[in-house]
Order: sequence, then structure tokens, then C-alpha cells
Amino acid sequence: SAVISQKPSRDICQRGTSLTIQCQVDSQVTMMFWYRQQPGQSLTLIATANQGSEATYESGFVIDKFPISRPNLTFSTLTVSNMSPEDSSIYLCSVRLAGESGELFFGEGSRLTVL
Amino acid sequence: GQNIDQPTEMTATEGAIVQINCTYQTSGFNGLFWYQQHAGEAPTFLSYNVLDGLEEKGRFSSFLSRSKGYSYLLLKELQMKDSASYLCAVMDSNYQLIWGAGTKLIIKP
Repeated sequence: SAVISQKPSRDICQRGTSLTIQCQVDSQVTMMFWYRQQPGQSLTLIATANQGSEATYESGFVIDKFPISRPNLTFSTLTVSNMSPEDSSIYLCSVRLAGESGELFFGEGSRLTVL
Repeated sequence: GQNIDQPTEMTATEGAIVQINCTYQTSGFNGLFWYQQHAGEAPTFLSYNVLDGLEEKGRFSSFLSRSKGYSYLLLKELQMKDSASYLCAVMDSNYQLIWGAGTKLIIKP
């Protein structure tokens, strides 16, 4: 298994500002992902965070809005830029361990409210 | 397109048994996962099925039929703490996870 720490756990932000969410894993992992979960909805994959290269974004998500850093195999950040109320959501960092069945382990999530 | 279907909400009684169904249509199949998510918390892994049949883990069991594109999660001896959303997810041929919308399970005393 993996222990994943996310910061902040929650925040209230003003429209037009940006917020960076940090994800720290207790072991080196190759596969790291960022998900969004809007109220009452299931998980939506934003992007795969690639170590040493640009993240791979899913349809509907772009780097200018959700820049991602992955400087090493244990750490990643997701920035939500120029926020609007529609960005109010839970943002989840997750990892998949090598050699496992493919299950994902999730961080505690960062609950953002944009006013 | 790819699709995962599961009921939106179910209600059951403490001590009883409940079965949560999941049907899927995906581009390829590399396994099916069930996750539990309590309100305000992150999902936690419950089970993984890649071959047909039943996988039992304590009070929870998960069944898979690949030919029918069907799975269920069976919860026995329900406890109040089992009140949560249960998410079904399928890994497709590109090893991407396709998520269902989740089933909210309400347990009543």
C-alpha cells in the first residue's frame, strides 16, 4: 500500500485566484494521477503526472488551467488557475503501485470552495 | 463509448444483506474494482476482479461475469458504518480506469 498526504485539506478561495495542491507519497511511484470529484458526482481524471516531463491531460482539461508539476517520484502539485465557482470540487491525488493489480490509492483529497 | 452503470441509491437494514450491481461497456477489459467512499473522504479500495467468479473478503464479496459485462458487490451483516457510496470502476485496454457514478448506500437501524 501507499500513504498519500495532500495539502491543503480544504480551502475557500476567491474568484480569479489560483491555488496549488501538494501531494506527497511515502514511497517512489511511477504512476501518479490527479482526479476531480464534483459534488454528488463520481471521479473524473484530470491528468497523469509524469516525472520529468509534461503531464498528460484528459479531454476537457488543459495545462493553462491545471498546471501540474512532478519533480520526483514521490511528489506532485496541481494548480487550479484563475478559479471560478465551477471549480469548487474535491481534488484527489492517487497513485498506482508497480506490480500490484492496478488498484489506485488515494490521498485524503483537497476540498476547494470558490466564492 | 465507454459506460459504467450502477444504481444511484439503495437502502438496506442493519444486519441484512445487500447486493450492488454494476454493468459495463468498455474498450477492452483489464479488471474491475470496487471502492468505498464515505461522505467527505477519499475512496478506499475494496476488491479487484479480473477473472469470472466470486472473490470473498470478510463481509464483502465481489462477483464478475466478463461475458455479461456484469459485476456485483455483496455486503453481508450490514453495519451502520457501511453507509457510504460504492464506486465501480473498470480498467480498459489502455489501462485507464473508467468510473461509475457510484451507489449511495443508506443503512437503517
